[in-house]
Amino acid sequence: QEQLVESGGGVVQPGRSLRLSCAASGFTFSNHGMHWVRQSPGKGLEWVAVIWNDGSNKFYADSVKGRFAISRDNSEDMVYLQMNSLRGEDTAVYYCARDRDDACDIWGRGTMVTVSS
Amino acid sequence: QSVLTQPPSVSAAPGQKVTISCSGSSSNIGNNYVSWYQQLPQTAPKLLIYDNNKRPSGIPDRFSGSKSGTSATLGITGLQTGDEADYYCGTWDSSLSARVFGGGTKLTVL
Repeated sequence: QEQLVESGGGVVQPGRSLRLSCAASGFTFSNHGMHWVRQSPGKGLEWVAVIWNDGSNKFYADSVKGRFAISRDNSEDMVYLQMNSLRGEDTAVYYCARDRDDACDIWGRGTMVTVSS
Repeated sequence: QSVLTQPPSVSAAPGQKVTISCSGSSSNIGNNYVSWYQQLPQTAPKLLIYDNNKRPSGIPDRFSGSKSGTSATLGITGLQTGDEADYYCGTWDSSLSARVFGGGTKLTVL
């Protein structure tokens, strides 16, 4: 079945880097844009970034612009989020989600990132 | 402060109907499709409505969506205790070149 599985979360010190991965299966990955969305503890959803199906365009939330980078490997059905200069406010569950018809139609279970000294 | 405005909470009795509003502007809801998501406690969000009013396969017709101008509405009829969740609206914002979500609405089925 169509599935997304995130990995790479953990505890990291402020100012350090972390790379999240999202493995897709059960659908033609290269046909879809992919999003990263995060949720801080007890808070609402916050969109982070999107990459188009062919990787030709990438957009970021202002809160992460210049620090985070989204990328994908269509040969491996993977999407990544490179997170640099991490801050306490980046602490959240990070979800990857598939884009279809201007919506996020499939979501992974998420991976937790904790930024703390 | 979210770009899209939702009420923090709504409540209704089992079997009743509830609506959740989502207010935006011409740069987002006014000119882009709206989607709605349900997030049950401790789970990932789930798509309920896309393209303003379409339901993915498997979503019961108790859930409906509509849009008028710069506002959108999610309707849920025949409320069940299992509908207790957080609900989010989302769309693209053409000025920000970013996807945006509402702040979320907690539904309580009394």
